[in-house]
Amino acid sequence: GENVEQHPSTLSVQEGDSAVIKCTYSDSASNYFPWYKQELGKRPQLIIDIRSNVGEKKDQRIAVTLNKTAKHFSLHITETQPEDSAVYFCAAADSWGKLQFGAGTQVVVTP
Amino acid sequence: DTEVTQTPKHLVMGMTNKKSLKCEQHMGHRAMYWYKQKAKKPPELMFVYSYEKLSINESVPSRFSPECPNSSLLNLHLHALQPEDSALYLCASSQDGRAGTGELFFGEGSRLTVL
Repeated sequence: GENVEQHPSTLSVQEGDSAVIKCTYSDSASNYFPWYKQELGKRPQLIIDIRSNVGEKKDQRIAVTLNKTAKHFSLHITETQPEDSAVYFCAAADSWGKLQFGAGTQVVVTP
Repeated sequence: DTEVTQTPKHLVMGMTNKKSLKCEQHMGHRAMYWYKQKAKKPPELMFVYSYEKLSINESVPSRFSPECPNSSLLNLHLHALQPEDSALYLCASSQDGRAGTGELFFGEGSRLTVL
């Protein structure tokens, strides 16, 4: 099955700086890569996703890049704000449709 | 209605009890999911229903029994659970009946404690 590794496990950034989270996956047939944000005590919510036929996608301060050859994808958050503090999960959907989540990255944005 | 609603929000049960978790969505989504989430861990897939049929069972113990009465409802029946089953149980839905092809809409979860 699919195996997704996510780094770093914790990330502390100053408000206004950029944050980058990296994930690798094992199944070359995986074709859908979403990113979820989970605030403390809340449900996970999709923030951005990318499909295997696209190399990069951007939505305001958030961008995701995908390198299919190397089997890795990254989340970039620019101009971080305190409300960006949360746990971020990357995920990859394998050929069976199972979504495998990474272990998560705790992002702390300090004012 | 753009939400996935789960009840109850909290549940405490003994190891000999039988209880059920309920999930409802009225977005016309054709796939529904049960996930289990332990503290500081990612959600773990348990079951997927596509077009009201069980399509994925991630080798979950039989003390967890899913049921999909119709396209809007998903239940998880619990029986003879163990303390290690204590966790947040998240229901989710997605528009496409094919799992893993689009956004998951999660409910707020049911926090289960097994004594």
